[in-house]
Amino acid sequence: AQSVTQPDIHITVSEGASLELRCNYSYGATPYLFWYVQSPGQGLQLLLKYFSGDTLVQGIKGFEAEFKRSQSSFNLRKPSVHWSDAAEYFCAVGAMDSSYKLIFGSGTRLLVRP
Amino acid sequence: GAVVSQHPSWVICKSGTSVKIECRSLDFQATTMFWYRQFPKQSLMLMATSNEGSKATYEQGVEKDKFLINHASLTLSTLTVTSAHPEDSSFYICSAKTGTDSYEQYFGPGTRLTVT
Repeated sequence: AQSVTQPDIHITVSEGASLELRCNYSYGATPYLFWYVQSPGQGLQLLLKYFSGDTLVQGIKGFEAEFKRSQSSFNLRKPSVHWSDAAEYFCAVGAMDSSYKLIFGSGTRLLVRP
Repeated sequence: GAVVSQHPSWVICKSGTSVKIECRSLDFQATTMFWYRQFPKQSLMLMATSNEGSKATYEQGVEKDKFLINHASLTLSTLTVTSAHPEDSSFYICSAKTGTDSYEQYFGPGTRLTVT
């Protein structure tokens, strides 16, 4: 079965520092990959997505992610974190069973030190 | 564009009563809506998929008779938690997508349900 792994439950970075959130997926074919952000008590906002083409994807709020097939990874990066980036981040992969469901990772909580 | 709303944003109900949560796509027609449940500090758990005019497809382990889903129009889906109990307290999130061959979902802001 398809799965998504986000190995880091919590990450703390200082404001202005760079950020990388890890995401690994399990599936052999080219996956449909997403990163969402959730602020406390809110729904999910799409940061970026990858379907095909250029493996470096630019998203909103200065985020980018790189698809690496050889590593089955889709890590999210930001060069300089702002205090407002503190939130929960979810990686997701589209299910390949024609249901068009999303399979979510367990999430990574980002804390930003002033 | 692609805004999804939920109503109410929070609700408190007594054990044994039923509560209805609405999910609306405000500026697009949603062929499919999804309902998720999220426990504190956990990921989203898909409960069911609803297609307009069809019966919802429930995920394994989700009680169909307890969580009634209706998708009567292309802009509205409802989740009714029947005979609610304290263990049903959770954050319920809906999402909607357009088209039949798209993975991209637009999420609502969520509904916090507390059953006392």
